[in-house]
Amino acid sequence: GENVEQHPSTLSVQEGDSAVIKCTYSDSASNYFPWYKQELGKRPQLIIDIRSNVGEKKDQRIAVTLNKTAKHFSLHITETQPEDSAVYFCAAGSGGSNYKLTFGKGTLLTVNP
Amino acid sequence: GAGVSQSPSNKVTEKGKDVELRCDPISGHTALYWYRQRLGQGLEFLIYFQGNSAPDKSGLPSDRFSAERTGESVSTLTIQRTQQEDSAVYLCASSLEGGGNTEAFFGQGTRLTVV
Repeated sequence: GENVEQHPSTLSVQEGDSAVIKCTYSDSASNYFPWYKQELGKRPQLIIDIRSNVGEKKDQRIAVTLNKTAKHFSLHITETQPEDSAVYFCAAGSGGSNYKLTFGKGTLLTVNP
Repeated sequence: GAGVSQSPSNKVTEKGKDVELRCDPISGHTALYWYRQRLGQGLEFLIYFQGNSAPDKSGLPSDRFSAERTGESVSTLTIQRTQQEDSAVYLCASSLEGGGNTEAFFGQGTRLTVV
């Protein structure tokens, strides 16, 4: 089955700096790569996703890049703000007729004011 | 409903008792996931239901854990003879089947405390 590795497990940046979180996956058939943000005490919520026919996608201060050859994808947050502090999870979707999302272990991002 | 609903939101139980957690997915979503999240930890996959296929139970940590789903509706996660290490937030998520829009929507979770 699919295996998703996420790094780093914790990340601390100064307000205004950029943050990058990286994930690798094992199943070359994976074709959907979402990122979720979980604020303290809340449920994970989708912030951005990318599909295998796209190499990069941007939404305001967040962007995701995908390298299918290397089987890795990354989340980039620019001009970080304290409200960006949260746990971020990547995931990979694969499985054909038995489609399934496999999540990484998460990255705790702390943005220091 | 408007979103994934889980009940109860909080559950405190004595060690050794059985508990049942409920998840109501978004109507029409054929895929349903259960995850466990210990304090400050990541999402630990437990079980996955997809339509009428056999569920993927590969994440269940022991035979004390089981889950059922009736068709494409409600799912229940049962933990028998609870132990203190079972204390965690149990999250349920649902999504449409396959391709297209496959975003997983999470419920608010059930916080289980075993004392």
